[in-house]
Amino acid sequence: EAGVVQSPRYKIIEKKQPVAFWCNPISGHNTLYWYLQNLGQGPELLIRYENEEAVDDSQLPKDRFSAERLKGVDSTLKIQPAELGDSAVYLCASSPGDGRAPGEQFFGPGTRLTVL
Amino acid sequence: LAKTTQPISMDSYEGQEVNITCSHNNIATNDYITWYQQFPSQGPRFIIQGYKTKVTNEVASLFIPADRKSSTLSLPRVSLSDTAVYYCLVGKGNFNKFYFGSGTKLNVKP
Repeated sequence: EAGVVQSPRYKIIEKKQPVAFWCNPISGHNTLYWYLQNLGQGPELLIRYENEEAVDDSQLPKDRFSAERLKGVDSTLKIQPAELGDSAVYLCASSPGDGRAPGEQFFGPGTRLTVL
Repeated sequence: LAKTTQPISMDSYEGQEVNITCSHNNIATNDYITWYQQFPSQGPRFIIQGYKTKVTNEVASLFIPADRKSSTLSLPRVSLSDTAVYYCLVGKGNFNKFYFGSGTKLNVKP
C-alpha cells in the first residue's frame, strides 16, 4: 500500500514569493490534514478536511494561506506571499475517517520550506 | 483540548527497557491516549493507542493507571534505531483535535 505522497520535498524561495505544496493521501482515506512543524517542535494542525470539506481551518492564517481538496482526494496548500517566519516543514497526513484506531494518522515525509 | 507534559529528553543504552511517562491531568472522560514516533526528516508514525489499563502491540506497551492522568510508553530492549522523538497525545474518540507538544527526544547509545 502506497503511503502519503508529498511534493516537493524541499523548496527554497525568496520572501514575498508564492509557494504551493501538494499532497496525495492514502487511497480511500477520507480525512486529510495539513500540519506545520517548526524546528524542535511538534506538528501543529493547520487544516483538516473530511472529503472535500474543510471542517477545521481555525488555525490556518487565512490572510496568506489557502488550501483546497478538490474531488476529495489530493490537496494543495498555498502560501502567498511567503514570509521569513513561514520557514518550516509542512506535513500532510490522512486517516480512514471510519472510526478505526481513531488516533492513527498516516503522515507523509513533509516539504521543507526555506524562505530567504 | 487536553495538553500533555513529557520529559524533554532521555538517554538509554541498547538492550535496555525504556519507559517514557506523559502527564495529562486534564484528560476528559472520552479522550484516548496515543503515542507517535518521529525520526529526523520523516513524518510522525503511530505507535500505540489506549484508553485504560494496558495495551501491548509488537512495538511497545502502554500503561494507563486508573485515574488516567498519566500514561507510560514502554519500549522493550531498545536499539540504536529507536533513537527518535516520541510524542504523547490526548484527544477525543474521533481525534479531530491533536496537540503534539514538543515530545521526548530519546537517545539510544551503543
